[in-house]
Amino acid sequence: QMQLVQSGAEVKEPGASVKVSCKASGYTFTSADIHWVRQAAGQGLEWMGWVTPGDGHGRLAQKFQGRVSITRDTAINTVYMELSSLRSEDTAVYFCARRGVFDPWGQGTLVTVSS
Amino acid sequence: QAVVTQEPSVTVSPGGTVTLTCDSSTGAVTSGHRPYWFQQKPGQAPRILIYDTTQRHSWTPARFSGSLLGGKAALTLSGAQPEDEADYHCFLSYGGLYYVFGSGTKVTVL
Repeated sequence: QMQLVQSGAEVKEPGASVKVSCKASGYTFTSADIHWVRQAAGQGLEWMGWVTPGDGHGRLAQKFQGRVSITRDTAINTVYMELSSLRSEDTAVYFCARRGVFDPWGQGTLVTVSS
Repeated sequence: QAVVTQEPSVTVSPGGTVTLTCDSSTGAVTSGHRPYWFQQKPGQAPRILIYDTTQRHSWTPARFSGSLLGGKAALTLSGAQPEDEADYHCFLSYGGLYYVFGSGTKVTVL
């Protein structure tokens, strides 16, 4: 079955960067875009951007332009989301999801930004 | 960037019917926004319920239905069950390039 498995929780200091991975299995990696979404504790979902695994192109939400990079490695069926210049407001659970009907989702990765 | 608004919370009686709505600041929501609806329970990833305005996923109970209503996307729950208590998020596509989540609705079955 289709599955997305994300990397483990991270704790970072303000100003640092974090790179979260999302490994796909159970389907052809290049067949669908991968989107990234985050959710702060007790808050709603926030769409961050997407990448087309086939050519590496995509889009970012305006809020994240200049601070987020979404890349992929087709050799290992993995998409990465890197967020730089971290601040406390970036503390959240980060999810990847497969476009099509946005199924499946990764299990989520908690990123904590704290000094 | 668009702002997408949902009711913050609703309460429905077991067996009752409730309609959640999803409004875009840029104007009427149409099928072109390909409205999605997700259900999320505490500690879990969101799960797709409805896509392309009206289409149910294979696991979506028939008591959930999607539509367009008065310029908004709508999710109707008919015959609410205790297990339907969750947060519901709408999600809109803007030209297939940019996407925005709604503010989310907490549904209580009581």
